[in-house]
This record gives sequence, C-alpha cells and structure tokens, in this order.
Amino acid sequence: QVQLVQSGAEVKKPGASVKVSCKASGYTFDSYAISWVRQAPGQGLEWMGWISVYNGITNYAQKLQGRVTMTTDTSTSIAYMELRSLRSGDTAVYYCARDEIDGDSGSAFDIWGQGTMVTVSS
Amino acid sequence: DIQMTQSPSSLSASVGDRVTITCRASQGIRNDLGWYQQKPGKAPKRLIYAASSLQSGVPSRFSGGGSGTEFTLTISSLQPEDFATYYCLQHNSYPRTFGQGTTVEIK
Repeated sequence: QVQLVQSGAEVKKPGASVKVSCKASGYTFDSYAISWVRQAPGQGLEWMGWISVYNGITNYAQKLQGRVTMTTDTSTSIAYMELRSLRSGDTAVYYCARDEIDGDSGSAFDIWGQGTMVTVSS
Repeated sequence: DIQMTQSPSSLSASVGDRVTITCRASQGIRNDLGWYQQKPGKAPKRLIYAASSLQSGVPSRFSGGGSGTEFTLTISSLQPEDFATYYCLQHNSYPRTFGQGTTVEIK
C-alpha cells in the first residue's frame, strides 16, 4: 500500500546536525513532491519546506533557510531532511508528507509518515 | 505569506452534536485547502481535500465547504472517536500554512 516510513528517534546535542529519512512505497516516487512538517511538544503543525522529487527543486520556510537541506534518492525512493546547528527549540516530532507538484489537490498532504522524534538536549 | 486564521481554538461538545470549525485565509486560495484530524501521538490524517472533497474511507458525517478565503469543516453528529485536534492547511502557495488548530473536547 501507499506509505511513508520514517527513521527512528534521535537525541542530539545543541549545535549538532540531524538527518531524518522518509522511505516511500506503493507509488511512483518521482511523480510527486515531499513536504516536511514539524510539531513541537504541545504545539501546532509547522511547515518546513518542500522538495520536488522529479527535479530536486526545493522551497524552504524562511525561518529555516541556511539550516535545512532536503534531498531525495530516487534509486531507493527515500527523502531526507537535514537540520543543522540544532537548538532546544528544534525539539519536535518531524513528519514527511506526500505533496503535489502540479496543482493536484488529491495528492497534497494525503499520505504522512509516522513521525520522528528529535530531541535536542545537552 | 498567507495566514490561516482558524476558529475556535477549542470547543466542548457532546456526542451527537453538530460542530463547525472555520478557517479564514488572508488572501484568496481558490479551493486549495485540506482539513486534518490529529489524535495524540499520531500523525495527522486527511479528512477533506480540495476544500469539499471527502477523503476515501472517511465517514460521511465530515463535510467541508467554502472557496476563496472562507472555509468550514462540519461534523454533522459528533462521535466518541472524533474527539481530537483539527487543522486546516492551505497549499495554494509557499510557504504552506496551517491553521492554529481546534481541539474538540468532550462536554
């Protein structure tokens, strides 16, 4: 079935980097995009950025520009999100979600990964 | 950036009640809006896409409406499993933006 499966929980020290993976299955990976969303404890959902799997074009949230990099590997159908210079405010559950690349609302955020908890603590 | 203003932030309701949640966009987004349900410890689940289309497998008591800047999510008869937090999301432009969320609690 169509699904996104994310990597496991991470604990990092301030200043370190984290790289979360998101493996897609059950659909044609490069026909869609992947968005990344995070949720701090007890807070709402925050969009982090988007990557077109088809051509690698990215669009990042302004507040994360310079600290985040999103990539994909079409040979393994895996999307990656790397966040650098971690601080305590980055402690959150990180989700990947399938997104659209051509205005098709049917595929916008229809499938979500299970989430990856990233804890930043000294 | 398009701001999504969701209201109310929380509500208390009883099983069987009709519940309506509203999202207002700061500029027109056509019908590029989805509604999501999130339960504690779980990923969001899409209920409605394209403002008014019911996601496959979602009960028909959920319905969405609106276009442009004003959108609604209605639950026609609240069930015990519907107590959760609901979010709207616009995907008309970047950055994608979520509403602040509405927590539906048991009265």
